[in-house]
Amino acid sequence: QIMLTQQAESLWISPGERVSITCRASQSLLYTDGKHYLSWYQQRPGQTTKALIYHASVRTDGVPTRFIGSGSGTEFTLSIEHVQPEDFAIYYCLQTLKSPYTFGAGTKLELK
Amino acid sequence: QVQLKESGPGLVKPSLTLSLTCTVSGFSLSSYGVIWVRQPPGKGLEWMGVIWGNGNTNYNSALKSRLSISRDTSKSQVFLKMNNLQTEDTAMYFCARSYSSYMDYWGQGVMVTVSS
Repeated sequence: QIMLTQQAESLWISPGERVSITCRASQSLLYTDGKHYLSWYQQRPGQTTKALIYHASVRTDGVPTRFIGSGSGTEFTLSIEHVQPEDFAIYYCLQTLKSPYTFGAGTKLELK
Repeated sequence: QVQLKESGPGLVKPSLTLSLTCTVSGFSLSSYGVIWVRQPPGKGLEWMGVIWGNGNTNYNSALKSRLSISRDTSKSQVFLKMNNLQTEDTAMYFCARSYSSYMDYWGQGVMVTVSS
C-alpha cells in the first residue's frame, strides 16, 4: 500500500505567521489523467472534518485563499499564510490513487 | 444540504460484531460513494473501506476479513459490520461522502468502545 509520511507531528507557530506542512508519498501520486490524487483535511475539536485541498492544489469550495496546496510526484505541501486563530488544528493528507487509501499521521498546529 | 450521521452502539464486548449505520441526506447513494474511516483515541485516521455509487465495495486489506459495507438506497443508509471486535478497535468511526477524488462531507462520528 502507498505510505504517506508527515514528518512533523507538531508545529509551533504564532498567529500571522506562515507555515508549511509536508507530506511525502512512497510512490508517485500522479495518475494518467495528469492529476495528483492527494488531498488535505483539517480536524478541529467539536467540528466535522473539513476537506481543504484536492488534486494536490485545488481548494474546495469556501476554503480561504490563505490555504495553498502544492507539490507533485511524491512530495506535497500544505501552506497556510497569515495563520488565523481558527487554523490551529490537526492536518492530514490522504492519497486516493490506489486502494487502500491511506492517510498521513497528521500534523498538529500549536500556538507558540 | 448534504449531511451524514453515524449511529450505533457505544459499547461492544470483545469478539462480538459491530454494526454501524450512516444515514445520509442531500444526495443519492446511487450517485456517490460513502467511505468509512476510524480514529483510535489520540491517534490518526485509518481508511476502512468504501461502497461506491454502483454498489461495488473496496476494503482496507488489513480489515477485509472482518469487514462488510452495504447499503439501502431507499433509506439513504450505509451499513458497516465488523466482526470479532478487539480492544484495538476502540475508536471514533466516521462516514464521509466520496466526491471526485476526495471526501467532501464528513459526519460527526460515533465513538465505539470495545470492552467487557
